[in-house]
Amino acid sequence: ETGVTQSPTHLIKTRGQQVTLRCSSQSGHNTVSWYQQALGQGPQFIFQYYREEENGRGNFPPRFSGLQFPNYSSELNVNALELDDSALYLCATINRSYTFGSGTRLTVV
Amino acid sequence: GESVGLHLPTLSVQEGDNSIINCAYSNSASDYFIWYKQESGKGPQFIIDIRSNMDKRQGQRVTVLLNKTVKHLSLQIAATQPGDSAVYFCAENAGNMLTFGGGTRLMVKP
Repeated sequence: ETGVTQSPTHLIKTRGQQVTLRCSSQSGHNTVSWYQQALGQGPQFIFQYYREEENGRGNFPPRFSGLQFPNYSSELNVNALELDDSALYLCATINRSYTFGSGTRLTVV
Repeated sequence: GESVGLHLPTLSVQEGDNSIINCAYSNSASDYFIWYKQESGKGPQFIIDIRSNMDKRQGQRVTVLLNKTVKHLSLQIAATQPGDSAVYFCAENAGNMLTFGGGTRLMVKP
């Protein structure tokens, strides 16, 4: 176990819907980042939060948004889901290095 | 469980042999590099890292080599075991993000 917990592990949504994914860390690190991993590819950076503020963003549209809470847990929200949003979504906490959770497998139908 | 890396390059080795997985990175400003192992249904698992002021680092059964001149990174696994079968990714860090390579599937034959 990595100490980074993501929920849910799997979910299925319909195109156009909204989804919220969650991430928490046992050790409560103040920096968290989110990645999208399409099948057969390496993870791609979505954004990073430090002390509840976004401090870095990859090439993802504004319908991908996030939150970080005072206890350093985090959410990833995706609006107006598209079929291409189907992927494994990973969060990582950052201390000495990047520690990933097991991810949420999102399927958009 | 789900499959990770359905169409990735594959390295097939005999149990007990040494494995070498290669990676080319793109950003000459990257100052930190990490190798991850990913099994089906799981997130990337940290294996070993190296900073840009080093060219070699050893862990338990693993060695990472960094050649900044040609922007190349390699992971060597000694005495490869069936449990090493997985997809391996290199990642480079510049600023606030990791950029991952495309991954290599390692298959260990008993």
